Parts: sequence; C-alpha cells; structure tokens
Amino acid sequence: AQKITQTQPGMFVQEKEAVTLDCTYDTSDPSYGLFWYKQPSSGEMIFLIYQGSYDQQNATEGRYSLNFQKARKSANLVISASQLGDSAMYFCAMRETGFQKLVFGTGTRLLVSP
Amino acid sequence: NAGVTQTPKFQVLKTGQSMTLQCAQDMNHNSMYWYRQDPGMGLRLIYYSASEGTTDKGEVPNGYNVSRLNKREFSLRLESAAPSQTSVYFCASKGLSLLEKLFFGSGTQLSVL
Repeated sequence: AQKITQTQPGMFVQEKEAVTLDCTYDTSDPSYGLFWYKQPSSGEMIFLIYQGSYDQQNATEGRYSLNFQKARKSANLVISASQLGDSAMYFCAMRETGFQKLVFGTGTRLLVSP
Repeated sequence: NAGVTQTPKFQVLKTGQSMTLQCAQDMNHNSMYWYRQDPGMGLRLIYYSASEGTTDKGEVPNGYNVSRLNKREFSLRLESAAPSQTSVYFCASKGLSLLEKLFFGSGTQLSVL
C-alpha cells in the first residue's frame, strides 16, 4: 500500500503568490514524523520542514509552513510569497516510530514564473 | 563540514560490469541509507543500516549488496549491472532520534548501457 501520496505531478505559480503542495499519508502508527524535502535542478536534497504526529501546532520554517490535518492524514506544504528559486521538485516523506526507514512520495515539480 | 560524501558523482557501466558506490559521513550518525531515484517514482530505499554491524533490505534490494564497513562508511555494490539499474543513487545518514531528518549526499548518476 502506498504510504505517501503526492497527487500533483506539477504545479505552476507566479512569483510572490502562495502555493500549496499536497501530501497524504497512510499509517496506523500513532507516532510518526512527516518531512518535506526540496530538490533543485542541481540534484541535492534539501530538508525544509518537519512535523511530528503529536505536535500541537503546525510547523513553520520561514516561508514554509506545514498544514497538518491529522484526521485527514494530510501534511500539505505551503510556500508563501513564492520566489524564482523555489522552482524545484518537492518530496513529502514519513517515518513511523520503530522504523528507521523514511518513505518518500513521488514528488511534485513546482515551477515559479516571473 | 563535509556531511555525507558520495563517490563517484557520475559513472557509466556496461551490462554485467560490477562497481561499488562509496559513502562516508562525518556526523557520527548511527543510521545510513541507500536510495535510488527514478523519474516519476520518487526515492526508493534499497538498503539501510540502523547501526554499525547491521544491514536490512529496503523496498528494492534485488541486484545490490551493501557493507557497513564501520560507523562512518556504507558502500553499495552492483555485482552485475543491468540497464534497469540506471538511476541516481543517494546515500543518507541520520542520528539516534527516530524522528530526526536525513542528511543526504550529493548523489551518483549511474548509467548502465
């Protein structure tokens, strides 16, 4: 069964606008962590933001925030005030407690236009 | 800070050839991982090592072997390369906490002809 689902293969946004990248997950473990990574065209994997399943508040890191809806099992990434440098692949990932493995979604390619 | 270092960055093999991808981390991390990335499929776990002396299969282990040489180093070996193993390979590591992020190497682009 797919643990992490990213249904948007590609997204387009204009500079300075906000964009939401969708991520849903599947787990029966009450304790888990959710991660978002950015992969620019240069290829490196850049950690953006983390949300723990017991965290009471949505995680924020600068222009990145995670819209965590536990009942819906969704962990959408919100990028505010998009910049040209935000053009990249974005991956959602999950780790369940007791497992050392981080499972990734298939990614969303974001293109920011001037 | 070097972080996670992978070598080589690029490699072209012929079908049937063997090679070893090297990975080393200098963050004193316990856990190390090998992923492969293919278009439209995200990153898929090949093998991982939760601690020195242990290795476990991930989602796509067939055709690969690994060695956790010491705490710093985790190598991935292709004994008889196949075109289906053409991919970008990432090594990663993380510390003790289960909910800690992964630190990634810069990747190895492998083509098998």
